Formats: sequence, C-alpha cells, structure tokens
Amino acid sequence: EVQLVESGGGLIPPGGSLRLSCAASGFTFGDYWMHWVRQAPGKGLMWVSRINTDGSSIAYADSVKGRFTISRDNAKNTLYLQMDTLRAEDTAVYYCVRPEEVTATLTLDNWGQGTLVSVSS
Amino acid sequence: IQMTQSPSSLSASVGDRITITCQASRDVGNFLNWFQQRPGKPPKLLIYDASNLETGVPSRFSGSGSGTDFAFTISNLQPEDIATYYCQQFDNLPLTFGGGTKVEIK
Repeated sequence: EVQLVESGGGLIPPGGSLRLSCAASGFTFGDYWMHWVRQAPGKGLMWVSRINTDGSSIAYADSVKGRFTISRDNAKNTLYLQMDTLRAEDTAVYYCVRPEEVTATLTLDNWGQGTLVSVSS
Repeated sequence: IQMTQSPSSLSASVGDRITITCQASRDVGNFLNWFQQRPGKPPKLLIYDASNLETGVPSRFSGSGSGTDFAFTISNLQPEDIATYYCQQFDNLPLTFGGGTKVEIK
C-alpha cells in the first residue's frame, strides 16, 4: 500500500525557514516523480513544486521560486521541501503527492495526509 | 493555464443529478482530472483523463469533455457525496486547479 507521511510543519514567524519531509513507503520511491501541493485554510489547491526521479529536473510555482527548494533522498525514501523567507501567504497544509504510474510525471494520484505550516508573528 | 470552475457552491437533494463545469483558458486535450475533498481530508482522485472512472469509485460519478470545456456529473446524489470538488489540468506546468465547487445537501 502506498503511504506518504508528511512532517515538519509548525508555527514559524515571517522571514523564517522550515523544512518539510515526506516519508514514502509501500513502493519503490526512486522510480517516481514527486510533487508538493498546498492548500491555504479554507481555500483551494495550489501546485508548489515537482521533482523527477534523480533530482535533475525540478520546477516551481512562480510564487515560491527562489524561496523554496525541493529535493529527495532515494536511499531514505524521503522527499523534502526547504522553505525559506516564509510569508504569511505561505500558510497552508502542504501535501506530498505521487503519480499513479512510474511513467507519469504530472498526475496527482496518491496524496499524503498533509502537514500544516502557519506563518505568523 | 487558468481553470474556471462553476458553480462555486450548490445545494441539491438526495437523488438529484448535479453537474459542475470547468473551462480551461487554453486547450488541455483530455489532460484533466476531477477530485473530491471531504473536510479535513486530502483530495481523492475520482476521474482521470477527463472521463475515466478511478478504480473503486461509484459509477454515479462521471466526467466528459475535451479541449477547453469539461463537465463532472453526479447522477444520483448521496449524503456521502458532501464535499468540495476540484478540476485540475495536467497538460502543462504549472499544474492548475479550478476554484472548487462545494456540494451540500438540501
């Protein structure tokens, strides 16, 4: 069974940094592209970032480009999101998402439960 | 690519047929998914590639369309269908979602 467990969220003041982790199990993590998607409280969904299997191809939403860094450690079956220079508008639940197929790169089929990041003084 | 979803909310009776529409700002082919999100839960994929039902999803859910205009239908609304529904294009980055449709029971 595919399991994605996010951690690392919390309350952080504006301008601060936080690193989210997503522990994957139940599948060969290194075979899949991975995504982060976020959802502000009471709002809709927003795609944040994507990484390919070996970390050589990465993309970001414009609103986080230059502040967030996605990475992965295939030996530890873990996806990361380093978030720097955080702003109030980054407050959201952050989801780790995996496509259903190894060959798929842009589909959002399997979601973790999410971790809440609150940016406030 | 902007995804315009309507209505933003609707209220219907058990057994009703409801339809949600989603319009893309440019052609996305059939690279469109529909998700269901219940309160406090992550989104769940219901329909992929515009019209294909995900395994295990009840057949009262369906999707149609291609190009820029899409529709999502629940043919026999059930109490457990109370949720917010989102369309999402995966033709190109950035992946984008519609604004969501909150479905309530009268």
